Amino acid sequence: EAGVAQSPRYKIIEKRQSVAFWCNPISGHATLYWYQQILGQGPKLLIQFQNNGVVDDSQLPKDRFSAERLKGVDSTLKIQPAKLEDSAVYLCASSGRTGTDSPLHFGNGTRLTVT
Amino acid sequence: AQTVTQSQPEMSVQEAETVTLSCTYDTSESDYYLFWYKQPPSRQMILVIRQEAYKQQNATENRFSVNFQKAAKSFSLKISDSQLGDAAMYFCAYRGNYGGATNKLIFGTGTLLAVQP
Repeated sequence: EAGVAQSPRYKIIEKRQSVAFWCNPISGHATLYWYQQILGQGPKLLIQFQNNGVVDDSQLPKDRFSAERLKGVDSTLKIQPAKLEDSAVYLCASSGRTGTDSPLHFGNGTRLTVT
Repeated sequence: AQTVTQSQPEMSVQEAETVTLSCTYDTSESDYYLFWYKQPPSRQMILVIRQEAYKQQNATENRFSVNFQKAAKSFSLKISDSQLGDAAMYFCAYRGNYGGATNKLIFGTGTLLAVQP
């Protein structure tokens, strides 16, 4: 079984520029998550999709962050414009069910540096 | 709101020895899940072990076991016979079971474990 795929692996941009991250979940997984992990902190949920619908985006800074999962498969997370405090690792995860006992499978993340 | 606290930013253990990582949490819920995740330098979060709050028996997975104290809201991870490959950042996480589709994972700040040969 192929794992969760993310790209790019690293990205360096200047503040006020735009950036996009891509995630392809495990085949058949209906639930997709984007987490932000700032250095020295645990991951924080930004947005959760169930198929192509948003379940939870309460911690997504909607003035600059957007995410979509148009066909209920892969997903894109965008930041526009980026700020210095957006420097972090962005992790994508997927699960086969929405129940609390369903394990999350994580990708390797994208490390974003904003200068 | 639920919180997860890991008070040990770094720990070190000799190869083949045993180490315990601490975690406390705060919640008003009675039904929930607790997890330990391992994050090696590759950055991929790997599930190590899971505990269901309504189960009194502590979970075990090979060399990994937990000490779950529900009343004290404590959830420590014990790694026996430590191996060099155990070196990583370890995160404690909480997930409520109070219904709804979200039930997001709430992570602690992590403990960086070094294994000395």
